[in-house]
Amino acid sequence: DVVLTQTPPTLSATIGQSVSISCRSSQSLLDSDGDTYLNWLLQRPGQSPQLLIYSVSNLESGVPNRFSGSGSETDFTLKISGVEAEDLGVYYCMQATHAPLTFGSGTKLEIK
Amino acid sequence: EVQLVESGGGLVQPGRSLKLSCAASGFTFSNYYMAWVRQAPTKGLEWVASITNSGGSTYYRDSVKGRFTISRDNAKSTLYLQMDSLRSEDTATYYCTSGATPDYWGQGVMVTVSS
Repeated sequence: DVVLTQTPPTLSATIGQSVSISCRSSQSLLDSDGDTYLNWLLQRPGQSPQLLIYSVSNLESGVPNRFSGSGSETDFTLKISGVEAEDLGVYYCMQATHAPLTFGSGTKLEIK
Repeated sequence: EVQLVESGGGLVQPGRSLKLSCAASGFTFSNYYMAWVRQAPTKGLEWVASITNSGGSTYYRDSVKGRFTISRDNAKSTLYLQMDSLRSEDTATYYCTSGATPDYWGQGVMVTVSS
């Protein structure tokens, strides 16, 4: 199975600060169809996960543009440009290039 | 408005069965690959099973193969997860989601396997 390693495991930020989360894959996530199926999810406390970014860098509808994704092959980054209070929660990367679907272990964002 | 509403969870003894349902609305269910993802208490997300939009192909994580069965009824816009021979390690909140690009998630249903 593809292992996704997320760092850091926890992140503490002030409102307005920009932060980044890394997700490294044990295998290239470039699919034979040319797409890279690496997604980013946010799970707020007590809520279901929600999709933020799909296929590395595509912003899901309704997601604020302070969220952005980048990367290729095995190295990916989620950036939040100007953290807001509502951004607290656990961020997960997830890959769907290789079966089975796998998730990173999560990065907990706390607001100082 | 898109909705995925899970039901069927609860407390069950080890070795017993449970069937989860996920009723979909607000989107064309039959066009979507669907999946079940679970989250054990205080743990991360774990994919359980997936099914293609027609229901013709199904996929399972190794630890549930032979015990869980994913299915769907496109006429009823409903996804199912039949869970047999349940174990304590199956205790989790189970979410239905719209597959590989999970833009839709249910609210989750809790399954507790304990004697």
